[in-house]
Amino acid sequence: ETGVTQTPRHLVMGMTNKKSLKCEQHLGHNAMYWYKQSAKKPLELMFVYNFKEQTENNSVPSRFSPECPNSSHLFLHLHTLQPEDSALYLCASSQDRWPKGTPLSYEQYFGPGTRLTVT
Amino acid sequence: GNSVTQMEGPVTLSEEAFLTINCTYTATGYPSLFWYVQYPGEGLQLLLKATKADDKGSNKGFEATYRKETTSFHLEKGSVQVSDSAVYFCALSDTSTGNQFYFGTGTSLTVIP
Repeated sequence: ETGVTQTPRHLVMGMTNKKSLKCEQHLGHNAMYWYKQSAKKPLELMFVYNFKEQTENNSVPSRFSPECPNSSHLFLHLHTLQPEDSALYLCASSQDRWPKGTPLSYEQYFGPGTRLTVT
Repeated sequence: GNSVTQMEGPVTLSEEAFLTINCTYTATGYPSLFWYVQYPGEGLQLLLKATKADDKGSNKGFEATYRKETTSFHLEKGSVQVSDSAVYFCALSDTSTGNQFYFGTGTSLTVIP
């Protein structure tokens, strides 16, 4: 496997279900991200992990619970979701700019996404 | 604060037409600028980037020049193909905010034969 992989690619779940999305990066990066992409809305950053530590949580509801056991793997645990949570969930990875202000550009590499439908 | 504004679509062009997708930005520090492309059913792929003023990023016939004086990073291609049909996202990464990206809303491009 190369790049960033995500499983499953498609997921349909009821509002009472519990499921998890998985992301794995094979690029040797140390920062990972979850984004939500909804139709006709801007890409929304949900969570950021640097060196396995969560550094960003953009006011995401607690029914979304991220987990980053190591720099290569990222999970998004889902429970008690609402229909408006239906979207494409994208994982990305990058090198981290550490410390902040280092004038280098580290682009993000994206996985193919998981298309989630909540019924 | 940081933000990216790109032209609204959808854009429909005939094959071999000239493409411009406008992108302007605001940033508090010294941003790097990116264009990403998303083909149907896929994630975002980096198309090109520029890290400082007057840099030109280029890839697959697409070009964009980092213009600090006009805070712009417009995407251009001289002759589009049907295979270029996709959604294009302009983005910035500001060194003062670590590795957070700011994306535009995306511009859908359809190229017809």
